[in-house]
Amino acid sequence: EVKLVESGGGLVQPGRSLKLSCAASGFNFNDYWMGWVRQAPGKGLEWIGEINKDSSTINYTPSLKDKFTISRDNAQNTLYLQMSKLGSEDTAIYYCARSLGADYWGQGVMVTVSS
Amino acid sequence: DVVMTQTPVSLPVSLGGQASISCRSSQSLVHSNGNTYLHWYLQKPGQSPQLLIYRVSNRFSGVPDRFSGSGSGTDFTLKISRVEPEDLGDYYCLQSTHFPRTFGGGTKLELK
Repeated sequence: EVKLVESGGGLVQPGRSLKLSCAASGFNFNDYWMGWVRQAPGKGLEWIGEINKDSSTINYTPSLKDKFTISRDNAQNTLYLQMSKLGSEDTAIYYCARSLGADYWGQGVMVTVSS
Repeated sequence: DVVMTQTPVSLPVSLGGQASISCRSSQSLVHSNGNTYLHWYLQKPGQSPQLLIYRVSNRFSGVPDRFSGSGSGTDFTLKISRVEPEDLGDYYCLQSTHFPRTFGGGTKLELK
């Protein structure tokens, strides 16, 4: 069974950083592109970016590029999202998803940016 | 960026009835490899999105045949026949032909 489990969310003060993790199981992690998507409260879905199998290609939605860094550790079957200089506009549920077609999603992790 | 315009925003339906959702892109979604990377998702209340249809018309594993996708180029449609209670929620289209990937704004399928 394909399983993606995000962790690392919570309450963070404006201007601070946070790193999310996505633990993958049930498939060969090394064989798939992975992506991050977020959803602000009551809003639609927003694609943050994606990383290819060996981390040689990482793409970000241009408006978010300066705030996020995506990485992965294939030995640990884990995807990461480093977030910096967070603002209230970054309050959202953050999802990891498998492949560019986002065929499987994690349950999401809430990040709340507030003082 | 490719803009995905999804209509309607809200779609009241009766159980057992049919629903149709449109997704239009600001440019063609045909990739240079000939494939069209347009996908449909359902997000039930309090849950993660789940893939229903990939590459325009292919039902994902376990998705009932009440769901069907069609279209080409810039104009795509998701149809749901014989709507059941578990079909209610927010529907999104996603294009992954072009970078950055972009979602439609969503359609809320609700009971009439």
